[in-house]
Amino acid sequence: GENVEQHPSTLSVQEGDSAVIKCTYSDSASNYFPWYKQELGKRPQLIIDIRSNVGEKKDQRIAVTLNKTAKHFSLHITETQPEDSAVYFCAAREGANNLFFGTGTRLTVIP
Amino acid sequence: GAVVSQHPSRVICKSGTSVKIECRSLDFQATTMFWYRQFPKKSLMLMATSNEGSKATYEQGVEKDKFLINHASLTLSTLTVTSAHPEDSSFYICSARGIYEQYFGPGTRLTVT
Repeated sequence: GENVEQHPSTLSVQEGDSAVIKCTYSDSASNYFPWYKQELGKRPQLIIDIRSNVGEKKDQRIAVTLNKTAKHFSLHITETQPEDSAVYFCAAREGANNLFFGTGTRLTVIP
Repeated sequence: GAVVSQHPSRVICKSGTSVKIECRSLDFQATTMFWYRQFPKKSLMLMATSNEGSKATYEQGVEKDKFLINHASLTLSTLTVTSAHPEDSSFYICSARGIYEQYFGPGTRLTVT
């Protein structure tokens, strides 16, 4: 099955700086890559996703890039704000199969 | 995004009793729902995949007789933790999938005393 690895496990940045979280996947057939943000005790919220037919997608301060050849994808958050502090999970899926999640990154934005 | 509700949000039960958790997709029909378990500061562990009108598919290591899943309609799936024990205490989250996107319920914090 799919194996998704996520780095780093923790990340601290100063407010206003950028944050980058990276994930790799093992199954070349995976074609859907969502990112979720989870605040303490809350549900994971879908913040952005990308499909394998595009290499980059942007939504305001959030962007995701995908390199199918290398089988890795990254989340980029620019101009970070304290409310960006949360745990972020990447995931990968092939077709109608299950989502496989990364181990999560705890992002702390220092005011 | 789509809305997924989950009830109850918190439940405390005594060891040996059973607990039912409901998951509903409120504004879309979900042919597939998922049940996850999440330990503190850990990632989401898929327990089972629930397809409407058919038996759930359980992940390796998850006891189907202990974690009963019923997907009675396109908007409702239930997870029943039978004969709960303290080690079953955890955060249980359901998820419903649309065409591509997958949305999560708010979770249920189960504490077994």
